[in-house]
Amino acid sequence: DVKVTQSSRYLVKRTGEKVFLECVQDMDHENMFWYRQDPGLGLRLIYFSYDVKMKEKGDIPEGYSVSREKKERFSLILESASTNQTSMYLCASSLLAGQGDTQYFGPGTRLTVL
Amino acid sequence: QKEVEQNSGPLSVPEGAIASLNCTYSDRGSQSFFWYRQYSGKSPELIMFIYSNGDKEDGRFTAQLNKASQYVSLLIRDSQPSDSATYLCAVNKGYSGAGSYQLTFGKGTKLSVIP
Repeated sequence: DVKVTQSSRYLVKRTGEKVFLECVQDMDHENMFWYRQDPGLGLRLIYFSYDVKMKEKGDIPEGYSVSREKKERFSLILESASTNQTSMYLCASSLLAGQGDTQYFGPGTRLTVL
Repeated sequence: QKEVEQNSGPLSVPEGAIASLNCTYSDRGSQSFFWYRQYSGKSPELIMFIYSNGDKEDGRFTAQLNKASQYVSLLIRDSQPSDSATYLCAVNKGYSGAGSYQLTFGKGTKLSVIP
């Protein structure tokens, strides 16, 4: 079974804080993704990575950065958290490129920025 | 803009009935189609995927794909209250480059199975 874990289920931070969300997968998947999910807006891709140290912007990268130093780990960084970044953050991984491969999701981190 | 459209619902069906969930997509070249189930407060979990025209069955679930009509559906037979969730349709975004890694998700259809 594919297992994707995220560092926290719930997180509360203050405006202006630097926030790190971490994701780890144990199936040697090549690709990892960070999404946010908001009511009425669905899943929106923030960043993804197809290899160690490689990253690509998704649909809404502004205000976020990512890091992938090891294949199994993909971090999302909010450089200076703002209230509009309050959301559910979901990490996913997939094995292959091309024609879209099945993505497996972690349990999610519900982030509240006060 | 490549899109995936789903009726947001809620779709209500009685227990034991067949639930039919529909999804249309705009990119005629899309080749990979996925159905995910998401319970409230939880993350999406894969139900099944389909690549070829026609039907694909897995237990109580059947995915149907019609590429000519750009339409994919999910049928749930003998619906149970535990099937009450939001169902997300996802389609591959591209064929090469960055798009080939990505899926475009619909906003989901909320299904309610009434006991």
